[in-house]
Amino acid sequence: GDSVTQMEGPVTLSEEAFLTINCTYTATGYPSLFWYVQYPGEGLQLLLKATKADDKGSNKGFEATYRKETTSFHLEKGSVQVSDSAVYFCALIKSGGSYIPTFGRGTSLIVHP
Amino acid sequence: DAGVTQSPTHLIKTRGQHVTLRCSPISGHKSVSWYQQVLGQGPQFIFQYYEKEERGRGNFPDRFSARQFPNYSSELNVNALLLGDSALYLCASSLVLAVGTDTQYFGPGTRLTVL
Repeated sequence: GDSVTQMEGPVTLSEEAFLTINCTYTATGYPSLFWYVQYPGEGLQLLLKATKADDKGSNKGFEATYRKETTSFHLEKGSVQVSDSAVYFCALIKSGGSYIPTFGRGTSLIVHP
Repeated sequence: DAGVTQSPTHLIKTRGQHVTLRCSPISGHKSVSWYQQVLGQGPQFIFQYYEKEERGRGNFPDRFSARQFPNYSSELNVNALLLGDSALYLCASSLVLAVGTDTQYFGPGTRLTVL
């Protein structure tokens, strides 16, 4: 079945450091890929998405490129802030059929001043 | 505009009891989905409704049921609660069901604790 694998957390960084959170997926066909962020005590918020190979999603300084050859969708940010501390979830939705996402386990990011 | 709202925020129940969770989608959204998020895990899909009809069901026992009302709000019901049902229950709404062109907006969730 479909699956999403994220790097284990927590990822601990100092403010202004470079961030990479790895995400790889297994799915048939051509899924759409998403990154969601969950701040403490809140629901999930869509951060960015990409719907086809080589697309780059970007938002709030975060970027991720849909790499079909490596089945990856790694999240990057050039300079993190303390306010970026949250849990980040990678997810996929298969094309066609029902609109049911498959989520990864989440990666906790902690940014220190 | 108001986002997705869920009630109650927190809930404590004992084993064997029944619980009803409520969700109001963003105005104009016709699709509602329910997810269970156990601590330390990603959300797991439970149900999806569109135009008051069930359009998807995840791998959950029959103790879980849901419905969508004419105003597109939704209820999730869980019978005979087990300790393992303790989780954050998330509701998400979207305009339609178009994959890749539509976005799901999540509510803040209901934290259910089963003792």
